[in-house]
Amino acid sequence: GDQVEQSPSALSLHEGTDSALRCNFTTTMRSVQWFRQNSRGSLISLFYLASGTKENGRLKSAFDSKERRYSTLHIRDAQLEDSGTYFCAAEARGNYQLIWGSGTKLIIKP
Amino acid sequence: EAAVTQSPRNKVAVTGGKVTLSCNQTNNHNNMYWYRQDTGHGLRLIHYSYGAGSTEKGDIPDGYKASRPSQENFSLILELATPSQTSVYFCASGETGGSSAETLYFGSGTRLTVL
Repeated sequence: GDQVEQSPSALSLHEGTDSALRCNFTTTMRSVQWFRQNSRGSLISLFYLASGTKENGRLKSAFDSKERRYSTLHIRDAQLEDSGTYFCAAEARGNYQLIWGSGTKLIIKP
Repeated sequence: EAAVTQSPRNKVAVTGGKVTLSCNQTNNHNNMYWYRQDTGHGLRLIHYSYGAGSTEKGDIPDGYKASRPSQENFSLILELATPSQTSVYFCASGETGGSSAETLYFGSGTRLTVL
């Protein structure tokens, strides 16, 4: 079936550095969403993209508008509060349901 | 901001017992979802609903039932709980906007342990 592959599975960075997370899709997707889960388990929605890029503060996400087979999430100047597990979820064409990646566990160190 | 409230936050159940997880949303969203999260699997969809009275099977519905008695409430029911159903369960709500997918709003999760 349709798959969403996230990489890396885990990442440890020092404060102030930049990082990039990626989701690859085994088929063309209609849209992608990015979520962050904190240490208490709460999930928040970061971005929804049907194409192009979106930016919010130090976070920026892009969705490959040509082949629609991958998305990236960039974190600039990482801060301690950015720690958590980041999930991407994609919507396949013709189906409003989301297919989830397994997450990237991000640890930001002082 | 949409509010999605799950209860209980934590639950310990015995094998063979009945468990009901509740979810309430206050933003009048049509769609509601139940997911479970296990290490290495991300979130997996169990059941979802398009509105009051509607329940649909997700990717892993076996062993679970769902109930949507009203726009605001969506319950997940384990009639005969098993240890394999030990997991963290998330409820979400959303509103499909035209031809595009929706932004989902999640509850804080319910940690279920089946002994």
